Amino acid sequence: AQSVTQPDIHITVSEGASLELRCNYSYGATPYLFWYVQSPGQGLQLLLKYFSGDTLVQGIKGFEAEFKRSQSSFNLRKPSVHWSDAAEYFCAVGEQSGSASKIIFGSGTRLSIRP
Amino acid sequence: GAGVSQSPSNKVTEKGKDVELRCDPISGHTALYWYRQSLGQGLEFLIYFQGNSAPDKSGLPSDRFSAERTGGSVSTLTIQRTQQEDSAVYLCASSSRDFNPWETQYFGPGTRLLVL
Repeated sequence: AQSVTQPDIHITVSEGASLELRCNYSYGATPYLFWYVQSPGQGLQLLLKYFSGDTLVQGIKGFEAEFKRSQSSFNLRKPSVHWSDAAEYFCAVGEQSGSASKIIFGSGTRLSIRP
Repeated sequence: GAGVSQSPSNKVTEKGKDVELRCDPISGHTALYWYRQSLGQGLEFLIYFQGNSAPDKSGLPSDRFSAERTGGSVSTLTIQRTQQEDSAVYLCASSSRDFNPWETQYFGPGTRLLVL
């Protein structure tokens, strides 16, 4: 079975600083990888996803993520964070077994922004 | 509708009572998912409906949990004889195609369930 690990439970960065949120996955083949964001009082929103091709994926809100097969990682980055980026971030991997498919989510990383 | 909607937004119930949570997916979406998000934890997959096929119930935590999807649209998640550990936010998501783990899932705002 696939699994997703987000080793950082909570991260605080200063506004304008760069950000990297870590994600490691466990999967035998090429995974389908996602990053979702959950802002306070709002539903989950897809930031970006990776299936194949260019290992650097651009998403919404200025986020990007890089797939590194050798490290089984799919870290999320942003060069300069804004106060509105404070939220919970979830890494996820897509799993397909026969005709069934589902998304396995990590436990999330809460991002706080220091003014 | 424009997005996935869920009702009620909040539900407080007493231990041992049954509750029903409703999800209206985006019109035309054939895949529907239920997840549970407990305090301070990630999303736990519960059940997946794919078109008219039998649902994937592999994530349901106990036989007190069940779900239906009528007419390929609206879904109801039922929790019987609720326990305090059932307290969580229950999220519903839909996507436009079946059998595609890479298809974008669109999430509803969730139902916050509190079992006293």
